[in-house]
Amino acid sequence: DAGVIQSPRHEVTEMGQEVTLRCKPISGHNSLFWYRQTMMRGLELLIYFNNNVPIDDSGMPEDRFSAKMPNASFSTLKIQPSEPRDSAVYFCASSLGTGEVEQFFGPGTRLTVL
Amino acid sequence: DQQVKQNSPSLSVQEGRISILNCDYTNSMFDYFLWYKKYPAEGPTFLISISSIKDKNEDGRFTVFLNKSAKHLSLHIVPSQPGDSAVYFCAARAYNFNKFYFGSGTKLNVKP
Repeated sequence: DAGVIQSPRHEVTEMGQEVTLRCKPISGHNSLFWYRQTMMRGLELLIYFNNNVPIDDSGMPEDRFSAKMPNASFSTLKIQPSEPRDSAVYFCASSLGTGEVEQFFGPGTRLTVL
Repeated sequence: DQQVKQNSPSLSVQEGRISILNCDYTNSMFDYFLWYKKYPAEGPTFLISISSIKDKNEDGRFTVFLNKSAKHLSLHIVPSQPGDSAVYFCAARAYNFNKFYFGSGTKLNVKP
């Protein structure tokens, strides 16, 4: 299995631009999580889906952030418009489903907003 | 408000000695605690977990201890190896919400 796939691995953009991060979870996994890693706050949960349905988005920092999961094999995290303080590493993770404690993380997308 | 805290940003240990990484939490409703290991430019990988009904779980060189009264857990690595050098994240799950809370990480350096 290829594991969780994220793209792009690196993204550099200018303030005000739209950014879309992509994630393909492990086949058969029913839960998908988006995290953001910063020096100050460590790993923060932004949103998670169960069976493609958003369950908790209380970690999404602002309305500029949105996430979708149109099917079981694809999810996006969009930031529009982007700001320099959004610069961070964004991780996608998946797990077999509710009740499973182990999450499998992708390699992350390093976002830099200038 | 961070519910899971790792107060030591870094730790340096000699090869062969014990590494002890610490984690504190505030929410008594957490039902599972986990440790993840992260190498540079990679995502975190699951290392070991412990249920809130236990006080110890061991897997090879790795042992996690849970002290519920103190709301504290620790990860012991014995003996430490240079390949253990990584960032270690402590995490906790709130079962009723299936939400996971992570600490800020501790960077372990095992010196040869």
